[in-house]
Amino acid sequence: IAGITQAPTSQILAAGRRMTLRCTQDMRHNAMYWYRQDLGLGLRLIHYSNTAGTTGKGEVPDGYSVSRANTDDFPLTLASAVHSQTSVYFCAWSVDGTDTQYFGPGTRLTVL
Amino acid sequence: GQNIDQPTEMTATEGAIVQINCTYQTSGFNGLFWYQQHAGEAPTFLSYNVLDGLEEKGRFSSFLSRSKGYSYLLLKELQMKDSASYLCAVRDQDYQLIWGAGTKLIIKP
Repeated sequence: IAGITQAPTSQILAAGRRMTLRCTQDMRHNAMYWYRQDLGLGLRLIHYSNTAGTTGKGEVPDGYSVSRANTDDFPLTLASAVHSQTSVYFCAWSVDGTDTQYFGPGTRLTVL
Repeated sequence: GQNIDQPTEMTATEGAIVQINCTYQTSGFNGLFWYQQHAGEAPTFLSYNVLDGLEEKGRFSSFLSRSKGYSYLLLKELQMKDSASYLCAVRDQDYQLIWGAGTKLIIKP
């Protein structure tokens, strides 16, 4: 399954800086998700969007915001990064909210 | 609360069979997923169970018992490339995926 990209691949960021992680798909699937993955913990859902123009909060939304202006793009913004946001971030998609999820390659973020 | 339990790490021998267990307690149930994740890579979908029983897909099989809140992933004829983490995830009543921490499988020659 191809067609989802994330940028950047990795980033080192000073605490307090603003950062946007990009996620783009070219298959026009409706549902998209942002997860973070930390050692020893399962994937945790940050935000999701079931269709363009709508978003919802996941398990760990604090400190993050998303937008879904169109079907293809689902950026994740850290308004003021903190050390605890050091993680690997995965964007995922599914045909709709009830289907199997498929993951992008991930962004490794380090907040100093 | 919602909880997915799976062993942290398992070791097996090349050519052998290994069973990775997953138990869950969730608010509702709308399917169970297994993903494979190689180190430094994204999770990739392996299998999906929504009804009780065994689903076979090549060397991999996945079993589900909804009454017991239990699933396992069975890997046969292990190959070195099967060294990876295996993630169990349950879709709850709100269609959100609840994830286990993953089982790191080490394959020895």
